[in-house]
Amino acid sequence: QVQLVQSGAEVKKPGASVTVSCKTSGYTFTHYGIAWVRQAPGQGLEWMGWISTSNGNTVYAREVRGRVSLTTDRSTSTAYMQLGGLTSDDTAVYFCAREYCNSRGCIWGRWFDPWGQGTLVTVSS
Amino acid sequence: DIQMTQSPPSLSASVGDRVTITCRASQSVGGHLNWYQQKPGKAPKLLIYGASTVQSGVPSRFSGSGSGTDFTLIISSLQPDDSATYYCQQTYSTPPLTFGGGTKVEIK
Repeated sequence: QVQLVQSGAEVKKPGASVTVSCKTSGYTFTHYGIAWVRQAPGQGLEWMGWISTSNGNTVYAREVRGRVSLTTDRSTSTAYMQLGGLTSDDTAVYFCAREYCNSRGCIWGRWFDPWGQGTLVTVSS
Repeated sequence: DIQMTQSPPSLSASVGDRVTITCRASQSVGGHLNWYQQKPGKAPKLLIYGASTVQSGVPSRFSGSGSGTDFTLIISSLQPDDSATYYCQQTYSTPPLTFGGGTKVEIK
């Protein structure tokens, strides 16, 4: 079955960087993009960005642009999210998700399914 | 950016009740609207995509409707397992892909 398995929880100091991995299985990695979404404690969902697993193109949310980098390793079917310049506002659970598109193409519709289990990143001095 | 507003923010209902959650977009998103269910400590789960298509494996008591700016998620007969927070998401205008603020559903 399709699975996205993320790396474990991280504790970082302000100003540091963190890398979260998302290892996929059960499908052809390069056929679907990967989105990243985060959720601060007790808050809603915030889309961070997206990466094409076929050509590496990326789109980032304004709030994290310049601090975030999405990459993939096609040899291991793994996606990575690196976030730098961490502050306490970056304390959150970070999720990866497979972006699934309408059979006619992504411009006709897209949704996230399935999601990774989430990775808690705590930023604290 | 397109803003997504869900209402109510929370609700409490009894088993067997019909529950309606609404999601309003700040501008038209056509039919590019998805619904997710999230239980505490878990990842979101896709319920409905394209405003009204129920994802495979999702119980038939869940349904979605709407287009343009106004959308609805209905649980026709609330079950104990439906206690969760529900989020709408627009994927029409990107970036960003925006989510609603969530609706927490509790069982009386």
